Amino acid sequence: SAVISQKPSRDICQRGTSLTIQCQVDSQVTMMFWYRQQPGQSLTLIATANQGSEATYESGFVIDKFPISRPNLTFSTLTVSNMSPEDSSIYLCSATGPPRNEQFFGPGTRLTVL
Amino acid sequence: GQQLNQSPQSMFIQEGEDVSMNCTSSSIFNTWLWYKQDPGEGPVLLIALYKAGELTSNGRLTAQFGITRKDSFLNISASIPSDVGIYFCAGQPQGAQKLVFGQGTRLTINP
Repeated sequence: SAVISQKPSRDICQRGTSLTIQCQVDSQVTMMFWYRQQPGQSLTLIATANQGSEATYESGFVIDKFPISRPNLTFSTLTVSNMSPEDSSIYLCSATGPPRNEQFFGPGTRLTVL
Repeated sequence: GQQLNQSPQSMFIQEGEDVSMNCTSSSIFNTWLWYKQDPGEGPVLLIALYKAGELTSNGRLTAQFGITRKDSFLNISASIPSDVGIYFCAGQPQGAQKLVFGQGTRLTINP
C-alpha cells in the first residue's frame, strides 16, 4: 500500500488568511483526492486532483475557495483560502494505485480557524 | 446524490463480544470498503470487497459485499480494547474512482 504524508499536521490560523496543505505519496499512484472531515462527522470529498490540469470539484466546493494543484503523479496541494471559523476541519489527502486501486489516506491536517 | 446509511451510529459492548455493523444504499456500488479511524489519524483500510456476494476475512474481521450490490456488513469477533474507534463503510459508484462514505459507527468497549 502507498504511504501518504501530509504537511502540516495541524495549524491554527486567523480569519481571512490562507493555508496550503501538502500531500506526498511514496509511490506512483493513479488518482489523488482531497476530503474534509468536520468535527464528529464523516468524510466529504472536496475534489479529485488531476495531474497537470484543473481539479474536478464536488458540488458545494469551488476552485476559488479550495485551489488544488497536482504537478506530478505523487504530489498535490490544497489551499484553503480566505478562511473563516467554519473551515475548521480535518483535511485528508488520499490516493489510489495499482494493483487494485484501493484508496489509502494520509494522516490528515487538523485546521483551526480563529 | 448517492448516500450510504450506516448503522448503528454507536455501540457500547463488553470486551470479548462480537460486533456487527452494516451499510445500505439505494444505489449500486462496484466496490465496498471498510475503514477504521483512530483519534487524530486518517482512516485505515481494513477490508476491500470487489464482487457481489464476496465474503472476505482479515483476522477477526469479516465483511461481505451484498448480492444486490447495495449493501455490505462488517463483523468483528471477540472484540479487544484496540478495536475501539470509528468504523466507516465506503462505496465506489459505478464508473467512478471517488468514494462515498457512511456516517460512521463509533465502537466503545468496556473492559
